Amino acid sequence: LAKTTQPISMDSYEGQEVNITCSHNNIATNDYITWYQQFPSQGPRFIIQGYKTKVTNEVASLFIPADRKSSTLSLPRVSLSDTAVYYCLVGQNFVFGPGTRLSVLP
Amino acid sequence: EPEVTQTPSHQVTQMGQEVILRCVPISNHLYFYWYRQILGQKVEFLVSFYNNEISEKSEIFDDQFSVERPDGSNFTLKIRSTKLEDSAMYFCAGSHTRSGEETQYFGPGTRLLVL
Repeated sequence: LAKTTQPISMDSYEGQEVNITCSHNNIATNDYITWYQQFPSQGPRFIIQGYKTKVTNEVASLFIPADRKSSTLSLPRVSLSDTAVYYCLVGQNFVFGPGTRLSVLP
Repeated sequence: EPEVTQTPSHQVTQMGQEVILRCVPISNHLYFYWYRQILGQKVEFLVSFYNNEISEKSEIFDDQFSVERPDGSNFTLKIRSTKLEDSAMYFCAGSHTRSGEETQYFGPGTRLLVL
């Protein structure tokens, strides 16, 4: 299983774009990259998934370089309600790392 | 949009008692999972379940734990004799496939407190 590495925490201000990068050096050929968001006392919630290049939905964008050894979750114009922990998972991976704790400040 | 539901939302029990946590997955999901999250810590995988069998389990999922899908809709996690260290949030999740595109849908969780 591909191991992932993310920053433990990030701070941002309302209205800014936030980019969280995840490293997954031993990603397998058929692995997709999935990001989840977790608010306190709630279950993780799917945000976005991709395989290569760029994926965009109404919540976020996901950028994946050609070598797929990393991925970047981009949250445009964050608000206070985006304060949460963000997890990057790869492939059929049940292992959640500590994630990235994003704090959005007013 | 269909959702995973879990009951109860909170449960307080005495050490040594049995608890059963219940989950109703999304109806077209075929793969089911239980996770736990001790307060302030990361989400930990417990077990995955498919076709009425455990497909994978972690070291945490010892003989005190069991899962079943008794009636084709509910998916339960039983802890036979609870310990203080079982206090945690327990999340049920489901997915339609186990492919590389697998996306898991999580329930709201059951907060278990063992006294």
